[in-house]
Amino acid sequence: ETGVTQTPRHLVMGMTNKKSLKCEQHLGHNAMYWYKQSAKKPLELMFVYSLEERVENNSVPSRFSPECPNSSHLFLHLHTLQPEDSALYLCASSQVSMGFPGELFFGEGSRLTVL
Amino acid sequence: DAKTTQPNSMESNEEEPVHLPCNHSTISGTDYIHWYRQLPSQGPEYVIHGLTSNVNNRMASLAIAEDRKSSTLILHRATLRDAAVYYCILRDWSQGAQKLVFGQGTRLTINP
Repeated sequence: ETGVTQTPRHLVMGMTNKKSLKCEQHLGHNAMYWYKQSAKKPLELMFVYSLEERVENNSVPSRFSPECPNSSHLFLHLHTLQPEDSALYLCASSQVSMGFPGELFFGEGSRLTVL
Repeated sequence: DAKTTQPNSMESNEEEPVHLPCNHSTISGTDYIHWYRQLPSQGPEYVIHGLTSNVNNRMASLAIAEDRKSSTLILHRATLRDAAVYYCILRDWSQGAQKLVFGQGTRLTINP
């Protein structure tokens, strides 16, 4: 148990569906991250939120839309995805102190399959 | 971002020490060396980090070369639970270090 909880753990959706991934951290951290892990590829950083403000957007297509309503919750809204978007989506959190983010704590991930 | 180079895979035996190498010849003075590992069906977890001096914690030791162009993660007595992909990552302190950029890592297999 890392203190970062992701739901759902598994999601199957069609290309025209709208769905959301949810992440909640119970660690009191002030930064949250979305990573994507495709088969045979390294983890790719998608978005970073620090103090609820998006500070990093790694050229992610607009069909992925993040939302960070408070420092404990992070969402990834999904709309008109493609089959190549099938992957494991990992959420992480960290404590940013004096500009240094500290170690990242990851959730177990949401396995997304796009049909 | 400065790059790291790790072997794709390594194999060791249970209860023996394991030395996982990482080359980072373009490391800058403000780069910290971080290690994470990813167990099967889990997200990555932090292992250890250091700047210049060798570091020890309950999970592992980190040996950093004097010129900082390479480092070695040492698992003193491997168990089957240590089978994972191990990532060596450089993190630039001076730029706020928001990014944690993962490479391919080293897949460690532990034989019983």
